[in-house]
Amino acid sequence: NAGVMQNPRHLVRRRGQEARLRCSPMKGHSHVYWYRQLPEEGLKFMVYLQKENIIDESGMPKERFSAEFPKEGPSILRIQQVVRGDSAAYFCASSPGTSRTDTQYFGPGTRLTVL
Amino acid sequence: GESVGLHLPTLSVQEGDNSIINCAYSNSASDYFIWYKQESGKGPQFIIDIRSNMDKRQGQRVTVLLNKTVKHLSLQIAATQPGDSAVYFCAENPQYNAGNMLTFGGGTRLMVKP
Repeated sequence: NAGVMQNPRHLVRRRGQEARLRCSPMKGHSHVYWYRQLPEEGLKFMVYLQKENIIDESGMPKERFSAEFPKEGPSILRIQQVVRGDSAAYFCASSPGTSRTDTQYFGPGTRLTVL
Repeated sequence: GESVGLHLPTLSVQEGDNSIINCAYSNSASDYFIWYKQESGKGPQFIIDIRSNMDKRQGQRVTVLLNKTVKHLSLQIAATQPGDSAVYFCAENPQYNAGNMLTFGGGTRLMVKP
């Protein structure tokens, strides 16, 4: 049973370019969470999605960042016009249900470097 | 404010010894806590969780203790092994969360000496 999958694992972009990060949740999971991690820090929540719905985006910057989880296919975190401060590791997690105590399982992350 | 660029606190233990990693939380509304282990270059891996109606929960070689009075959480690892070397994060899910987002602590780096 495959775990949470993320790709690419490493992404290099120049300032002003767009970054697209993909996340495929565990089989049977319909809830996806995106977190950002700066070096030597804990993870910071960005957005929580269910299929075709954004449930909570309170942790996501209002500009340049967007997320989606379509009916078919992976969840996408999109960063437009990247800046150096966007360099970080971006982790996706998934859970099976709506219970607050459902375990979130994390993917390996995408490490974004903005030159 | 956020603590940016600070080095993680480090706990160094001898292989075979017990390790205790501590976490303080500030939100008295939190009622669900999780410990994650993160190895270099990997995503966080679930270790153990505990609800606020419990004081202690045991897993395989790990025990989590919760002291709600002083808002303190600890992770005990018995007979620490080199494979336990990683950064350990506590995370909480406050009751008022409309969603299920986790709030992570700053992390502790565990180094196991052979």
